[in-house]
Amino acid sequence: SQQGEEDPQALSIQEGENATMNCSYKTSINNLQWYRQNSGRGLVHLILIRSNEREKHSGRLRVTLDTSKKSSSLLITASRAADTASYFCATVYSGGGADGLTFGKGTHLIIQP
Amino acid sequence: NAGVMQNPRHLVRRRGQEARLRCSPMKGHSHVYWYRQLPEEGLKFMVYLQKENIIDESGMPKERFSAEFPKEGPSILRIQQVVRGDSAAYFCASSNGQGSPTFGSGTRLTVV
Repeated sequence: SQQGEEDPQALSIQEGENATMNCSYKTSINNLQWYRQNSGRGLVHLILIRSNEREKHSGRLRVTLDTSKKSSSLLITASRAADTASYFCATVYSGGGADGLTFGKGTHLIIQP
Repeated sequence: NAGVMQNPRHLVRRRGQEARLRCSPMKGHSHVYWYRQLPEEGLKFMVYLQKENIIDESGMPKERFSAEFPKEGPSILRIQQVVRGDSAAYFCASSNGQGSPTFGSGTRLTVV
């Protein structure tokens, strides 16, 4: 299986601090995506990074990709209470069926006020 | 534990026909989510259903698209009078309302 695996499973930090979540995968990918899910809601797409990119920014989000280590990280800077959610990485692998997504189990992030 | 089952895996329709996509959630899951993915893009939320109820359909196009999750049987995403722009991968996910969602393998719709 080339399922993405997020680490840690749960993370609790103070508001204003930075939050870092990691994702590892097993096979070659076309791209890797990060999603957020608030309790009781559907997934929201945050950012997509292609296999030939190393870093990408979107507002307070910074994503890195290291294809040699088959890992990615999501950094949320200056966290806010509204960032409390579960965060998932998903991979699109390059072995065919290119629009299939494989999700990890997620990191549950809690921002303490 | 068969996981989330979506069928068909691939569906080809001519313009103007109807497309029906099915999703059987995991055993014990009563929450179903539908997403659409265009090539090289992320998932876009479409609709969130619980048994016999639509909870959130804010991502559904206003026309031609509908979804249901009957008391018995799978959830159905229906697209009437398909157009080429409907070609995409459609993913279903289910949960028990508390844990992480489990995704199906998707249905690849091609409109010719």
